[in-house]
Amino acid sequence: RKEVEQDPGPFNVPEGATVAFNCTYSNSASQSFFWYRQDCRKEPKLLMSVYSSGNEDGRFTAQLNRASQYISLLIRDSKLSDSATYLCVVTAISNNDMRFGAGTRLTVKP
Amino acid sequence: NAGVTQTPKFRILKIGQSMTLQCAQDMNHNYMYWYRQDPGMGLKLIYYSVGAGITDKGEVPNGYNVSRSTTEDFPLRLELAAPSQTSVYFCASSYSTGVSYGYTFGSGTRLTVV
Repeated sequence: RKEVEQDPGPFNVPEGATVAFNCTYSNSASQSFFWYRQDCRKEPKLLMSVYSSGNEDGRFTAQLNRASQYISLLIRDSKLSDSATYLCVVTAISNNDMRFGAGTRLTVKP
Repeated sequence: NAGVTQTPKFRILKIGQSMTLQCAQDMNHNYMYWYRQDPGMGLKLIYYSVGAGITDKGEVPNGYNVSRSTTEDFPLRLELAAPSQTSVYFCASSYSTGVSYGYTFGSGTRLTVV
């Protein structure tokens, strides 16, 4: 079983749609959780951290369920500019070792 | 601020050649990392450093070496290039551990070994 698993997609949605991505992780001792965004042939960029209480940043909402070892990202009112690959990231036992999912590709169409 | 700067952006190596991928950051971050990303795969940690003079292996260190003589620089050395090392290499840095801060990545080096 992979340490961090994501549905690879691709997700093709129309502008204005709401889309949700899921991620599961295998290490119950994981401590920190993030969503990163990666545009084609570019470096990953931090989108948001994920807190136990859930958190929101504009159109983006992240949730963490430690009991189920599950993280989600919800994007409301999708924009064309949201088209990218979304990476789920989990820190392993040592906080020096962040484990990346393979990413979920999103394409938002007019 | 330049952030994290990686050079070169692209490189083609022949099997058995050596090269150094350069990484420099100007944010005074104490932690630095090297990752590789293969198509359709997540980033995998090669080596990391928690400060000048201190380095440690990550998940996939074989075939690579690193050094950290200054806070700013963290070069990655490939001694005998192999086709399996064809990948995109990302350097990253952070103030502390990953907790709540996340990493700042460089723009990457695309390496092809033929």
